[in-house]
Amino acid sequence: DSGVTQTPKHLITATGQRVTLRCSPRSGDLSVYWYQQSLDQGLQFLIQYYNGEERAKGNILERFSAQQFPDLHSELNLSSLELGDSALYFCASSVSENTEAFFGQGTRLTVV
Amino acid sequence: DQQVKQNSPSLSVQEGRISILNCDYTNSMFDYFLWYKKYPAEGPTFLISISSIKDKNEDGRFTVFLNKSAKHLSLHIVPSQPGDSAVYFCAATHDYKLSFGAGTTVTVRA
Repeated sequence: DSGVTQTPKHLITATGQRVTLRCSPRSGDLSVYWYQQSLDQGLQFLIQYYNGEERAKGNILERFSAQQFPDLHSELNLSSLELGDSALYFCASSVSENTEAFFGQGTRLTVV
Repeated sequence: DQQVKQNSPSLSVQEGRISILNCDYTNSMFDYFLWYKKYPAEGPTFLISISSIKDKNEDGRFTVFLNKSAKHLSLHIVPSQPGDSAVYFCAATHDYKLSFGAGTTVTVRA
């Protein structure tokens, strides 16, 4: 158990819909990362927050947004969902930059 | 823009022998490097890391080597065990961005 909690574990939704994925970081970790892993693909960096502020952005679509709340949990919002958004979405947390990040178990999103 | 590259998608090794996984990077600003192991349907698990000021870090059966001039790092697993069969990701970080390679699938044969 990494200490990072992601909910829900599985999500099935229709195209055009909007979903919210939630991540609770390890106790004491200020940094939260979001990644997307599509079938047979690597881990694509989406976005990173540190203590509530956005610090780095990767290949995140405009239909996707995220935020980190004062209690340090984070949410990833995916809207106008397309079939190609079906993937595993991972959250990771770390104490700060240049320290190891610990991953949650992921949320498997299936868009039908 | 793939700044971290793992050019070998798979590696098969006999139990007890050494596994060597390689990783190349293009961004000279990366200052911290990590290796992760991933089983199917699970999140990646941190294995070992190395700062850019070092060239070697060892933790039990795992050793990571960094060659900054060549922008290359490698992970050695000795001896390889059946439980090491997994996907291994190389990662590098700079300015809060943690970038991953595409992964190498390791299969340890009995």
